[in-house]
Amino acid sequence: RKEVEQDPGPFNVPEGATVAFNCTYSNSASQSFFWYRQDCRKEPKLLMSVYSSGNEDGRFTAQLNRASQYISLLIRDSKLSDSATYLCVVNIDFNKFYFGSGTKLNVKP
Amino acid sequence: NAGVTQTPKFRVLKTGQSMTLLCAQDMNHEYMYWYRQDPGMGLRLIHYSVGEGTTAKGEVPDGYNVSRLKKQNFLLGLESAAPSQTSVYFCASRFEGGNQPQHFGDGTRLSIL
Repeated sequence: RKEVEQDPGPFNVPEGATVAFNCTYSNSASQSFFWYRQDCRKEPKLLMSVYSSGNEDGRFTAQLNRASQYISLLIRDSKLSDSATYLCVVNIDFNKFYFGSGTKLNVKP
Repeated sequence: NAGVTQTPKFRVLKTGQSMTLLCAQDMNHEYMYWYRQDPGMGLRLIHYSVGEGTTAKGEVPDGYNVSRLKKQNFLLGLESAAPSQTSVYFCASRFEGGNQPQHFGDGTRLSIL
């Protein structure tokens, strides 16, 4: 079983739409959680950390559900520039960062 | 502020050749990591370092060696390249602390023929 699992997509949405991704993790000892975005053939870039109480950064909202072992990312008012692959990352200790394979988002005009 | 810099950006090798990938960070981060990314897979950890002079194996260390002689640099070596090592390699660094995120270099695309 993979440590982190994501729906690969693609999610094809029109501009202005709201879209949500989930990511499940298998290790209940996981300590910290992150969402990264990765553009084609580029490096992953930190989008946001995910805190236990949930957190928001502009159009982006992240939630953590420890009981069900998943994290989510909600994007409101999608922009063309949001088109990318979104990576879920789970940290167990200082060296164990597990990356999901990513969810691809295509925002269409 | 350059952040994390990887050299080279691209390289083509023949099977059996050796090479070294360099990662340099100017953020005074203690921890540094080398990952590889293959199509359809998440990033996989090759080796990591928790400080100058220390290194440790990650998930897929076979065929690679690393060194961290200076805090700001983390080198990844391929002693005898194999086609299975064709991949995109990313270096990352971060501060100590459980909630500290990793910051990535822009990658090295390596092809082994």
